[in-house]
Amino acid sequence: KQEVTQIPAALSVPEGENLVLNCSFTDSAIYNLQWFRQDPGKGLTSLLLIQSSQREQTSGRLNASLDKSSGRSTLYIAASQPGDSATYLCAILRADKLIFGTGTRLQVFP
Amino acid sequence: GAVVSQHPSRVICKSGTSVKIECRSLDFQATTMFWYRQFPKQSLMLMATSNEGSKATYEQGVEKDKFLINHASLTLSTLTVTSAHPEDSSFYICSAEENRGQPQHFGDGTRLSIL
Repeated sequence: KQEVTQIPAALSVPEGENLVLNCSFTDSAIYNLQWFRQDPGKGLTSLLLIQSSQREQTSGRLNASLDKSSGRSTLYIAASQPGDSATYLCAILRADKLIFGTGTRLQVFP
Repeated sequence: GAVVSQHPSRVICKSGTSVKIECRSLDFQATTMFWYRQFPKQSLMLMATSNEGSKATYEQGVEKDKFLINHASLTLSTLTVTSAHPEDSSFYICSAEENRGQPQHFGDGTRLSIL
């Protein structure tokens, strides 16, 4: 059974810090990997999508990497801001289904 | 961008009531829609996949008679929680994809509370 885990489960940092969120998965046979943001009581906002053939994707202050062979992905957030506070979920696409990780709850305080 | 509207955003009702949740793709036709369930501080778990005009495919452990899914058109899927009980209280989120394999677009979720 494919499992997706995220470390840390929660993170609280002061504004301005650079952050690394980790995602690991047990089966390397994935189609792609996505990082999402979820605000409290809300749905999901897609941040970055990395195809299985790619190694990384960048959008603004966000950079996501993918290492299929080791079953790992990282989301790097540069110069964090209070507005970045949310839960971050990674998800792999395998057999036409998204399998979500357990999430990292991020709080950035001023 | 692609927008998925989910309604209602919050429902509070008595035990034994049936509750219907709607998921609409507003600016694209969704060949496939997905229904997820999320418990507090946990991740999303796929409940079922629905394709327009055909029966939904349920994940293992999800009661199809409890969670009725209808995907009558390319822009609308509904989830009906029948005879809801407190243990059905959860956050339900739908998503839709225009074509198989393309990124899913998510609704804002429905908070269901059964008293």
